[in-house]
Amino acid sequence: AQSVTQLDSQVPVFEEAPVELRCNYSSSVSVYLFWYVQYPNQGLQLLLKYLSGSTLVKGINGFEAEFNKSQTSFHLRKPSVHISDTAEYFCAVKGDTGNQFYFGTGTSLTVIP
Amino acid sequence: SAVISQKPSRDICQRGTSLTIQCQVDSQVTMMFWYRQQPGQSLTLIATANQGSEATYESGFVIDKFPISRPNLTFSTLTVSNMSPEDSSIYLCSVEDGAWATYNEQFFGPGTRLTVL
Repeated sequence: AQSVTQLDSQVPVFEEAPVELRCNYSSSVSVYLFWYVQYPNQGLQLLLKYLSGSTLVKGINGFEAEFNKSQTSFHLRKPSVHISDTAEYFCAVKGDTGNQFYFGTGTSLTVIP
Repeated sequence: SAVISQKPSRDICQRGTSLTIQCQVDSQVTMMFWYRQQPGQSLTLIATANQGSEATYESGFVIDKFPISRPNLTFSTLTVSNMSPEDSSIYLCSVEDGAWATYNEQFFGPGTRLTVL
């Protein structure tokens, strides 16, 4: 089974500052990687995904993530955050067999005015 | 992309009762999933529901506690039976969209926020 580690449970950052949310996964076999965002009292929304190809993936709302196979990481970045980015962010992994998604424990991003 | 709705959006229930959560998708999908998100925690897969077959439950979840129906390709229900306060969670329905070979994303419903007193 896969495992996903989000190293930071809470990340406070000032508005317009850059942010990086870290994600590491356990498997060295082919995987598919995802970042989801959950706004307060809402369901999960896909930010971006890596299936194959370029290791730098651009998503919605100005977010991007870089797949690093050697470090088994898929860190999420944004160069300048907004108040509206305050939310819970989940990294998820799916292997190339089976259907199950494995989610990290989430990182709570708080943007400070 | 798939659009998913869930009913109810939230409920407060008494210990020992049961609640059935409905999940409706705007397109036909083969695979539907039910997740639980306990307060302050990540998502845990309860079961996978394919139309025309019995649901497949993950370790720690049993059919007697969480019976699932999947009568067609756009609808599923999850029942939380004989509830206790430990069942207080957000329950999320999701579907996997896209061609089988491309492993596209899972789309999530808005969730059902359950509080058991």
